[in-house]
Amino acid sequence: DTGVSQDPRHKITKRGQNVTFRCDPISEHNRLYWYRQTLGQGPEFLTYFQNEAQLEKSRLLSDRFSAERPKGSFSTLEIQRTEQGDSAMYLCASSPESWFRSGANVLTFGAGSRLTVL
Amino acid sequence: AQSVTQLGSHVSVSEGALVLLRCNYSSSVPPYLFWYVQYPNQGLQLLLKYTSAATLVKGINGFEAEFKKSETSFHLTKPSAHMSDAAEYFCAVSLHTGGFKTIFGAGTRLFVKA
Repeated sequence: DTGVSQDPRHKITKRGQNVTFRCDPISEHNRLYWYRQTLGQGPEFLTYFQNEAQLEKSRLLSDRFSAERPKGSFSTLEIQRTEQGDSAMYLCASSPESWFRSGANVLTFGAGSRLTVL
Repeated sequence: AQSVTQLGSHVSVSEGALVLLRCNYSSSVPPYLFWYVQYPNQGLQLLLKYTSAATLVKGINGFEAEFKKSETSFHLTKPSAHMSDAAEYFCAVSLHTGGFKTIFGAGTRLFVKA
């Protein structure tokens, strides 16, 4: 397994355009998380899926943001009508259902997708 | 709700010196605590985790952390810093009641001087 993959790694767009990020988690992981990280800050939780079900969404996730995980494998995060404040690193992470065997829900992160909105 | 506070956004040490990165947590129930490290242009990697077993937890690359309930702290230490330790370090807390959500601190950037 190659770990958590995110695509694209970098995206530059103009304000008002739509962007979509893709995350491929570790294949045997059933939980998938999206975080946003801005400069000088820690990752901020956006949403998470257990299989294909989106179980929690942060208030940070405005109506312009939508995330899907249609078949319980890869996930997409779409931002509509981007704003300059959306510029950030979008991180995806996954974790296994059998987390209790390791004693805690350890997240495996991808390298992130950096968004710059001009 | 749980939260994490990391004291000091930047810490600078000399190579060979003790590394101490501070983390305090707030949680209404016994938490699970983590330290993650992030190298430039890479994702976060787990350094170590506390899961209510031993209070002194050893991680990778010679790092360790001690859970102190009375102080609500989970400070990260390493006896002797190496140049390769220069990175950003994040303390995190997770509750396994419902959401499995992990909350991260703002991070501490560690600089190591030769």
